[in-house]
Amino acid sequence: DAKTTQPPSMDCAEGRAANLPCNHSTISGNEYVYWYRQIHSQGPQYIIHGLKNNETNEMASLIITEDRKSSTLILPHATLRDTAVYYCIVRVPDRGSTLGRLYFGRGTQLTVWP
Amino acid sequence: AAGVIQSPRHLIKEKRETATLKCYPIPRHDTVYWYQQGPGQDPQFLISFYEKMQSDKGSIPDRFSAQQFSDYHSELNMSSLELGDSALYFCASSSGPGQGSGNTIYFGEGSWLTVV
Repeated sequence: DAKTTQPPSMDCAEGRAANLPCNHSTISGNEYVYWYRQIHSQGPQYIIHGLKNNETNEMASLIITEDRKSSTLILPHATLRDTAVYYCIVRVPDRGSTLGRLYFGRGTQLTVWP
Repeated sequence: AAGVIQSPRHLIKEKRETATLKCYPIPRHDTVYWYQQGPGQDPQFLISFYEKMQSDKGSIPDRFSAQQFSDYHSELNMSSLELGDSALYFCASSSGPGQGSGNTIYFGEGSWLTVV
């Protein structure tokens, strides 16, 4: 049911920007793009989400293309602690009393090296 | 800030036994989600509750049941446990309908269930 495609793995040097791509070509107009990460066997950690505008918070920036078919998560200065599996998720919208769940796909294993 | 609290953190049960996991959502959150993550797998949605009513159902086995109580905490009951039920179980919470900033889903640290 995952509606996103991500590369299985990426590397990044410590201190450099990590740019994680995601394709969501079938996204609907009212569906948000969410990013979570999971450090080994810990609970998924919310990073950022957006609908169509670019978003930035203290953790990352989210760039969504104008056609909304893809997005990029940017960690501006990656550290060793950013090594994790990053999930790009298109959240299923609410339908009546059925609230939008998160479908986790395969995610991208980001490894930050010294 | 208060997070989603899950208990117990670790649980060991024998086959055919019953296990109960508890979840305490973030204060003022009225929606709870349960996920199961097997070894080397991605989290899979099991079930969710909104305002104490079942909202959505995923790949939850018939041997499993869950409910949300008046104080919004939730319990996942698993009976006739099988070896394949060994997994990390996550609870998550949010504050009701909508996908905007006020309805972000936050996860707990999970409960490890080992069936031997």
